[in-house]
Order: sequence, then C-alpha cells, then structure tokens
Amino acid sequence: DAKTTQPPSMDCAEGRAANLPCNHSTISGNEYVYWYRQIHSQGPQYIIHGLKNNETNEMASLIITEDRKSSTLILPHATLRDTAVYYCIVRVTPSNTGKLIFGQGTTLQVKP
Amino acid sequence: DAGVTQSPTHLIKTRGQQVTLRCSPKSGHDTVSWYQQALGQGPQFIFQYYEEEERQRGNFPDRFSGHQFPNYSSELNVNALLLGDSALYLCASSWGGASNTEAFFGQGTRLTVV
Repeated sequence: DAKTTQPPSMDCAEGRAANLPCNHSTISGNEYVYWYRQIHSQGPQYIIHGLKNNETNEMASLIITEDRKSSTLILPHATLRDTAVYYCIVRVTPSNTGKLIFGQGTTLQVKP
Repeated sequence: DAGVTQSPTHLIKTRGQQVTLRCSPKSGHDTVSWYQQALGQGPQFIFQYYEEEERQRGNFPDRFSGHQFPNYSSELNVNALLLGDSALYLCASSWGGASNTEAFFGQGTRLTVV
C-alpha cells in the first residue's frame, strides 16, 4: 500500500470550509484513497473514499487530482464537533478489504 | 442496527498475564480486523479474520493471537503481557464479499498493563 503524507496539524474557523491535503505520490492505479477521522477516545470513523473521480457525501467532499498523486478532503462548514485527527489512507481492494495502514494523520482544530 | 461492539471498554492487567478482548461485528459483516493504537500514534494493523481463519497479519509477535467464531464475532488474545502492550485495541468489521467497502470501527478496549 502506498505511503501518504499529511500536515501534522491545521486550524479552521467554525463555519468555514476545512481543506485537508494529502500527498500520495506513489499511488498505484488500483489503489483507492480513503479518509477516516478519530475524535478523541473514540474509534476511527469512515468519512469518504474515491478512486479517481471527485466524490461527495453528507459528511464531506473528496477532490483527487488528475494524476492521483494528491487529494483534498473538504468539510464545507466545519463545526466544533469536527475537531479530530484525520487520516488519509490508500489501499488496494478487494484483497485488503479490512486492512488499513494509518499514518500520523492531521489534527484539525476547529475554533469558535 | 448495532454497530461494532467491543468488550470490555477498559481493562487493567499485570505484566506477564494473559488477556482476551472481544468484538462483535456490524450486522451483515463477515470480516474482522484488529488494531493496536498506542498513545499519540495511529492505529497499527494486527491481523484480520475471514471465514474463521487468519487471512492477513501485521508485524506483531506470536503472543498476539485471535479467533473468529461461526457468528463472525472475534477474540484477540495477548499472552505474557508487557508494559508496552498498554494501548487502545480497536476492532473493525467489513464485508469480505465486496470489492470496495469501508471498515467500521468499534470504540475500542483500553488496556493498561502495570
């Protein structure tokens, strides 16, 4: 599975969009980009995933560059409850449907 | 619909003892993975169970073993506990039959070895 690089921390004002970048320059053609977040003392929570097209769900949007070497998770209107560690993960499916390789993630602090 | 449930939520053990942690997967899921998360670190993959067999394993010693039951629930066993085994142990479930599916995590078991 490809390695990802994320900034260790970011701040965002409440109500503004939070844009979390992730570099995955060694990603292979069959690897998906997944985002999870972990609120303090809880298990990681799935947010969104994509292969090469941009994706949107009720939680967030995922923008993947055309060369697939980087992506951005967008929380359109951040709230205080979005304060968490955000993990960007790339993995191959279907052979590794459960295995996730977590890095250090980005600690997002949403401020009032 | 119950999500992934883990028990117990907290546990204190003495060095050298053995511990068993339990996990019930989300309804409809048949694959269970276990992770260890040390303080301030991301979760580290221990192993994955599918069809009652260990399908993948991370870089963990043989002191870490597991089991999956016919109802898809799973246990994680750790023998000869070390102080360094103190961590949050997370269970994640998914459906092995899909080519593109997310894993759902439980709230974890906080193990403290003294």
